[in-house]
Amino acid sequence: GQNIDQPTEMTATEGAIVQINCTYQTSGFNGLFWYQQHAGEAPTFLSYNVLDGLEEKGRFSSFLSRSKGYSYLLLKELQMKDSASYLCAVRDRQAGTALIFGKGTTLSVSS
Amino acid sequence: KAGVTQTPRYLIKTRGQQVTLSCSPISGHRSVSWYQQTPGQGLQFLFEYFSETQRNKGNFPGRFSGRQFSNSRSEMNVSTLELGDSALYLCASSLRGITNEKLFFGSGTQLSVL
Repeated sequence: GQNIDQPTEMTATEGAIVQINCTYQTSGFNGLFWYQQHAGEAPTFLSYNVLDGLEEKGRFSSFLSRSKGYSYLLLKELQMKDSASYLCAVRDRQAGTALIFGKGTTLSVSS
Repeated sequence: KAGVTQTPRYLIKTRGQQVTLSCSPISGHRSVSWYQQTPGQGLQFLFEYFSETQRNKGNFPGRFSGRQFSNSRSEMNVSTLELGDSALYLCASSLRGITNEKLFFGSGTQLSVL
């Protein structure tokens, strides 16, 4: 089967750096996505990793280690608007086109 | 370019009723997926349609069904509603639904079953 774990909640202050971890177990890993979801809104795409290493995109970076079944999302220079839920999702060859989501990490940024 | 549009935004139904939710994907996108989001379970995959054919199905009972039309618009239907069906139903579209494509989500339909 498939299993994805990420912390339920995290807090941080404006200007800080936060790292949201995600561990997964799949039988046929085929890519990992991070999405951001503000309350009451649609999830929006942040990043995609399929090979090991770091992908950087502005204030956001995502890292993947396939051998460890581990990814993290790094958010730098935190802003209040970064308060949201962050969803880790993987593709598994056995699940075809479905995305398998973790339950999400709610990040609260305070001033 | 308009995003993924879901209607209605909110629905209140009673147990035993049925409901139909609608999704219009981004223009040109041919793959439409449906997900159920609840606080306890997070997002769970329901099914995916491509070119009017169901290409993939999640682990939900047969009360949950869907279809896709020739213009790629999709509907999902839930029959004999149960209290546990209360959830946010999200639709997502992508160009071809291949594995490295990101999904574009709609804002969802919030279904409450009383």
